[in-house]
Amino acid sequence: AQSVTQPDIHITVSEGASLELRCNYSYGATPYLFWYVQSPGQGLQLLLKYFSGDTLVQGIKGFEAEFKRSQSSFNLRKPSVHWSDAAEYFCAVGGTLFGNEKLTFGTGTRLTIIP
Amino acid sequence: NAGVTQTPKFRILKIGQSMTLQCTQDMNHNYMYWYRQDPGMGLKLIYYSVGAGITDKGEVPNGYNVSRSTTEDFPLRLELAAPSQTSVYFCASSLGLPTDTQYFGPGTRLTVL
Repeated sequence: AQSVTQPDIHITVSEGASLELRCNYSYGATPYLFWYVQSPGQGLQLLLKYFSGDTLVQGIKGFEAEFKRSQSSFNLRKPSVHWSDAAEYFCAVGGTLFGNEKLTFGTGTRLTIIP
Repeated sequence: NAGVTQTPKFRILKIGQSMTLQCTQDMNHNYMYWYRQDPGMGLKLIYYSVGAGITDKGEVPNGYNVSRSTTEDFPLRLELAAPSQTSVYFCASSLGLPTDTQYFGPGTRLTVL
């Protein structure tokens, strides 16, 4: 079975500081990996995804993530956060190992930005 | 394009009542999904559909029913509402496989008292 772990429930960073959100996954083959963001009162929006090729993936809003197979990780990074980045971030894993694999979402990391 | 729209935005139900959550997408996507989001639990898949007339259970289907008579619409039916169904419900769609980008609606916040 596939699974995703986001070890940090809540992270607080200062505006302008760098950010790294952790994601570890379990999957039987090369997975499809995703980061979605949920702003308060909104649905989820895709930030970026990985399924092959370059292990450093660029996304929207200045975010990037790096796939590390040896560590089963797909951490999300941003060099300098803005107040508008305050939101909840979800990592997800899926694939086609068993056919129509559905996505499994992590429990989310809430990001707070302080001035 | 409006994307994925959901109605209502908020609803309070009494135990035992029933209701339908509406979901419509205008992107001609084949796949549609219903998720529920509970605090600290992430998103759990309730039901999904791969096309009109085809639906299947997700991880937490008990207490819910779905139908998909058109490509655009994917309503979720709650029969005999229970407090355990208090949650935020999200509808989503993707062009093809679930590993394609999923587009989410704004959600319906449901409280069962």
